[in-house]
Amino acid sequence: SAVISQKPSRDICQRGTSLTIQCQVDSQVTMMFWYRQQPGQSLTLIATANQGSEATYESGFVIDKFPISRPNLTFSTLTVSNMSPEDSSIYLCSVYRSGTGELFFGEGSRLTVL
Amino acid sequence: KNQVEQSPQSLIILEGKNCTLQCNYTVSPFSNLRWYKQDTGRGPVSLTIMTFSENTKSNGRYTATLDADTKQSSLHITASQLSDSASYICVVSAHQAGTALIFGKGTTLSVSS
Repeated sequence: SAVISQKPSRDICQRGTSLTIQCQVDSQVTMMFWYRQQPGQSLTLIATANQGSEATYESGFVIDKFPISRPNLTFSTLTVSNMSPEDSSIYLCSVYRSGTGELFFGEGSRLTVL
Repeated sequence: KNQVEQSPQSLIILEGKNCTLQCNYTVSPFSNLRWYKQDTGRGPVSLTIMTFSENTKSNGRYTATLDADTKQSSLHITASQLSDSASYICVVSAHQAGTALIFGKGTTLSVSS
């Protein structure tokens, strides 16, 4: 299994501020995925982060709100910008294990915006 | 529209009992179906992955079934334990360009002693 470390595990933030979530994988992967899980809802894909190119955002998500960095094949960051209470969610990083097609998730970052 | 519906939304059972969770999907074209377990405050962990040609797959006390004709899947948990208390998420993958995973909202299982 892939080991995925996310930081912070949780945070409480003030409206209007920004928070950067880090995701570290124990092996090199081509694509890393960022998901959002709002309370009582299913996981929603925010964007796919590819090393060496701009992230690909899903409908409803924009780079200005959720800028992503992917400086190398084992690391990515997701920033939640200008936060509002509606951004209170769990944010999850995930990767595919090549060969099996299995999708592994990090432990998640629980964000509360006051 | 590609959708994954899970039932029941929540379930409470006594320790040692069996239970079955349901997943119906309208995803097309179908690629595979996955079941994940998500403990409170943790990330989802894969239980099973099934392709079109597989109709059952087990992982310890967890057994998943798939009926691709009726587009239904079930997850059966045998001899439940307190540690089975979690959210169980059904995820269906579609054959299309780019990432195409459709997540259900999950079934919250509570096992009590």
